[in-house]
Amino acid sequence: SQKIEQNSEALNIQEGKTATLTCNYTNYSPAYLQWYRQDPGRGPVFLLLIRENEKEKRKERLKVTFDTTLKQSLFHITASQPADSATYLCALGANDYKLSFGAGTTVTVRA
Amino acid sequence: GAVVSQHPSWVICKSGTSVKIECRSLDFQATTMFWYRQFPKQSLMLMATSNEGSKATYEQGVEKDKFLINHASLTLSTLTVTSAHPEDSSFYICSALQRPEQFFGPGTRLTVL
Repeated sequence: SQKIEQNSEALNIQEGKTATLTCNYTNYSPAYLQWYRQDPGRGPVFLLLIRENEKEKRKERLKVTFDTTLKQSLFHITASQPADSATYLCALGANDYKLSFGAGTTVTVRA
Repeated sequence: GAVVSQHPSWVICKSGTSVKIECRSLDFQATTMFWYRQFPKQSLMLMATSNEGSKATYEQGVEKDKFLINHASLTLSTLTVTSAHPEDSSFYICSALQRPEQFFGPGTRLTVL
């Protein structure tokens, strides 16, 4: 069966450092992969989309890589700030645009 | 741009009653919207795909007679939880598709007493 695993449930880092989150998947061939941010009691907010034929995408302090051979995506937040504290979700997209979500990694950035 | 609203943001109801949740795309037209459910500390689970002008398609295990979906216009989809029971208490989130990205609403917290 399909499985999406995000590396850890929680990640605590010092302000200014880089947070690296992992998303691994099995039994799946996504057409694209998305990363979302979710704050408590709120809906997910779209951050980045990377397609299966792309290796890397950047947006401001965010960087996503996608390795379809390893079946893995890495999500980096550079120069992290306390305001980056949230839960980050990876989601795999199919050709019918349906998304399958991982359970999320909660990032806490200490000042 | 790409703003999606949901109403209400929270609702408390008695067991056996029905509850309607609205999802609107405010600044774009969405022929396709999705409905998700999220239990505490769990992932979002897709419930159904709502297509404007046609019947919704439901994921395996989701009762279509219990979760009625109507997508009457290009900016509005509604989810009605019929005869709600305490086990239906959850966080319901909709999204609107602007291919290939999905933009999510803020969610509706349903509590069934």
